[in-house]
Amino acid sequence: GAGVSQSPSNKVTEKGKDVELRCDPISGHTALYWYRQSLGQGLEFLIYFQGNSAPDKSGLPSDRFSAERTGGSVSTLTIQRTQQEDSAVYLCASSLGLAGGHETQYFGPGTRLLVL
Amino acid sequence: QKEVEQNSGPLSVPEGAIASLNCTYSDRVSQSFFWYRQYSGKSPELIMSIYSNGDKEDGRFTAQLNKASQYVSLLIRDSQPSDSATYLCAVDAGGTSYGKLTFGQGTILTVHP
Repeated sequence: GAGVSQSPSNKVTEKGKDVELRCDPISGHTALYWYRQSLGQGLEFLIYFQGNSAPDKSGLPSDRFSAERTGGSVSTLTIQRTQQEDSAVYLCASSLGLAGGHETQYFGPGTRLLVL
Repeated sequence: QKEVEQNSGPLSVPEGAIASLNCTYSDRVSQSFFWYRQYSGKSPELIMSIYSNGDKEDGRFTAQLNKASQYVSLLIRDSQPSDSATYLCAVDAGGTSYGKLTFGQGTILTVHP
């Protein structure tokens, strides 16, 4: 079956513009995660959605970052008033969302964001 | 702050040798441990997961977990040039941190013919 898909694969924007990044999880996966990977910071957790529960937003670096998940499937990560330090690869992952833990997260190909 | 530390590398081994990748974690209650492989310009790909103390083998890969020492390792036997990649150790602390993987900085492995 299809894996996690993300779009766009690359995005170049000007400082101060808003961007939207999209993630389509693996069919049947109820848990969805956003991570950011940059040279200086490695791979960092941003936000986690599980079913209809309130998302865990504890990794969002500022209030310019927000995410939503519609219908328990597709998710959009929005960055408002982008800054150069937002340049990174934004990775989405999904997992089955089973109770009891030990979940394996499967990553999408990522969106490479460059803020000029 | 929960931390995951990996041997800094880069690690270079000859083809056919055993590559040993190490990882320590700071949160004693961590429950799930993962090794991901990441080729340059690609996304992380799961290699192994381990949840209980001891060894877990899958083909040429063996993961080892020692919760008392807060240590997890990955051994790659009969290393091949195609194993050359960055290896990321990831830890899920569970509990209120469930779902949030904390990653190490990665170890770059080069297998030379």
